[in-house]
Formats: sequence, C-alpha cells, structure tokens
Amino acid sequence: DAKTTQPTSMDCAEGRAANLPCNHSTISGNEYVYWYRQIHSQGPQYIIHGLKNNETNEMASLIITEDRKSSTLILPHATLRDTAVYYCIVRPGAAGNKLTFGGGTRVLVKP
Amino acid sequence: NAGVTQTPKFQVLKTGQSMTLQCAQDMNHNSMYWYRQDPGMGLRLIYYSASEGTTDKGEVPNGYNVSRLNKREFSLRLESAAPSQTSVYFCASSEATGWSHGYTFGSGTRLTVV
Repeated sequence: DAKTTQPTSMDCAEGRAANLPCNHSTISGNEYVYWYRQIHSQGPQYIIHGLKNNETNEMASLIITEDRKSSTLILPHATLRDTAVYYCIVRPGAAGNKLTFGGGTRVLVKP
Repeated sequence: NAGVTQTPKFQVLKTGQSMTLQCAQDMNHNSMYWYRQDPGMGLRLIYYSASEGTTDKGEVPNGYNVSRLNKREFSLRLESAAPSQTSVYFCASSEATGWSHGYTFGSGTRLTVV
C-alpha cells in the first residue's frame, strides 16, 4: 500500500479556508486518495475521494497534483465544528481492499 | 435513522472475563468491519467480513473472534479480556470492501479492562 504523510497538527481561523496537505509519493496508478475525518469520540466520517481529477462536494474540495504524489483537502469556510482529526488514505479501488488509517492531522479551528 | 448501531456503548471488564460486542447495520451493506482505536492513535482493523458467511483477519486479530450472524449483524468476541485490549471499538459497514468511500461507522464501544 502507498503510505501517506500528513502534518501532525494545524490550526486555522474560523471562516477561513483550511488547506490540509498530504504526501503520497509512492502512489500507484490504480490507487485512490480518500479523506475521512473523526470528530472527538465519534466514528470516522467520509469526506471525499479522487483518483486524478480534482473533486468537490458539499463538504470539501480535493486537489490532486498532476503527478499524483500529493494532494490537498480544502475546507472552504472552516467552522468550529470542523475541529477534528483528518485522515488521508491511499487505497486501490478494487474489491478486497480495506481502509487503513494512519495518524492523521489534528485540525483545530479557532474563533 | 439508517446507520450502524453498536452495543454496549461503555463496558468495564475484569482481566480474564469474556464479552461480545454487537454491531448491526440497516443499510443492506455486504461488508462489515471491526476496528480498534487506542488513545491518540489511528484506527486498526481487527477483522472484517466481505460478505455474509465470510470473515477474514485484519491487522490485529489476536485475542478476538468474530461472527457474521447474518447480513445485518457482525459481532466481536473477547474470550479472555486483557488490559491491552482497553480501547474504543468501532464497527463499520460498506456496500463492498472495495468501496472505500462508502464506509459508515458506528459511534463506538468504549471498553476498559482492569
């Protein structure tokens, strides 16, 4: 499996965009980039995923570099409720592959 | 509300006791999973069931057994609890093991072994 590297923690201001980086320099051609988050004491929650094109949904945007070796999750207008641990995960999309969580980035949104 | 339900939410066991953690989903998902999360750590996969009638080991299966009772239910059993099994246990489900974006997690069972 391709491994990911994320900063351990970061702060961001309420109302501003939060940009969460993730390095995955050993990613393979068939591997997707997934983002989940875990708000304190709750189960993880799916945010977004992508293969090579940028993706956007109601929660966030995912920007994947052209060489696919890194990506950025963007929360466009961070709120206090976005305080959580964010996990960047790289996995093949084929059947039989399970989700494996690393340490993630602890994001603190400040007023 | 549709989702994954775990019981109990909290449990304290003495070393050597046994217990079963229950998990049920009502989304007609084929695959189900058990993870554990130690303080300050990421989640680690214990066991999973790709479909009804099948189970497979994950990253940290030792000390645990599982049963996929039917499509809805997937239980995790600790035969002889040890303090090292103190953790938060999350159950999850998805349409299939390949659908990594479709995982739905329960709210967790907080287990303390003394």
